[in-house]
Amino acid sequence: AQSVSQHNHHVILSEAASLELGCNYSYGGTVNLFWYVQYPGQHLQLLLKYFSGDPLVKGIKGFEAEFIKSKFSFNLRKPSVQWSDTAEYFCAVIGGGGSQGNLIFGKGTKLSVKP
Amino acid sequence: GAGVSQTPSNKVTEKGKYVELRCDPISGHTALYWYRQSLGQGPEFLIYFQGTGAADDSGLPNDRFFAVRPEGSVSTLKIQRTERGDSAVYLCASSSTVLTEAFFGQGTRLTVV
Repeated sequence: AQSVSQHNHHVILSEAASLELGCNYSYGGTVNLFWYVQYPGQHLQLLLKYFSGDPLVKGIKGFEAEFIKSKFSFNLRKPSVQWSDTAEYFCAVIGGGGSQGNLIFGKGTKLSVKP
Repeated sequence: GAGVSQTPSNKVTEKGKYVELRCDPISGHTALYWYRQSLGQGPEFLIYFQGTGAADDSGLPNDRFFAVRPEGSVSTLKIQRTERGDSAVYLCASSSTVLTEAFFGQGTRLTVV
């Protein structure tokens, strides 16, 4: 079955630091990849997605992610974080592993940005 | 409506009771998903519907859990004989088709006492 691994449970950064959150998935076939964000007290919101084409995708609020098929990875990046980026970030994948419609999430990475 | 709506937002119930959680998806969305999120965990897949039918219910933990979507729009997640371990936030999401972006509701926080 498909699975998603997020390497960091909790990341603490100072404002203006660069961010990279790791995400690996297990299935080598055709997949669609997502990063969702959950700000404190709010619902899950889509940051960015990859379906096909340019493996470097840009999302909202200056976030981007790079799909590296050979590494089964879809890491999230931001050059300079802000205090308002404090949230929990979830990588998710859909497709493959026998259940085409099943959106599978990683356990999440909590990001705390110190002002 | 503009987004996915879930009711109630909070539900406290006694162990052994029956509960129903409702989800109103975005109008026109054919795919509807139910997830459960425990503290410190990512959303855990329960079931998804394509139209009226359950396309994949492999995530339902046991036969106390059941979900329906009789007219292909609103869905109800039903939990019988609730247990304390069922306490979690139950999330609903919908998408225009399978394999596209899913939009999430605010969730229903279920507490079993």
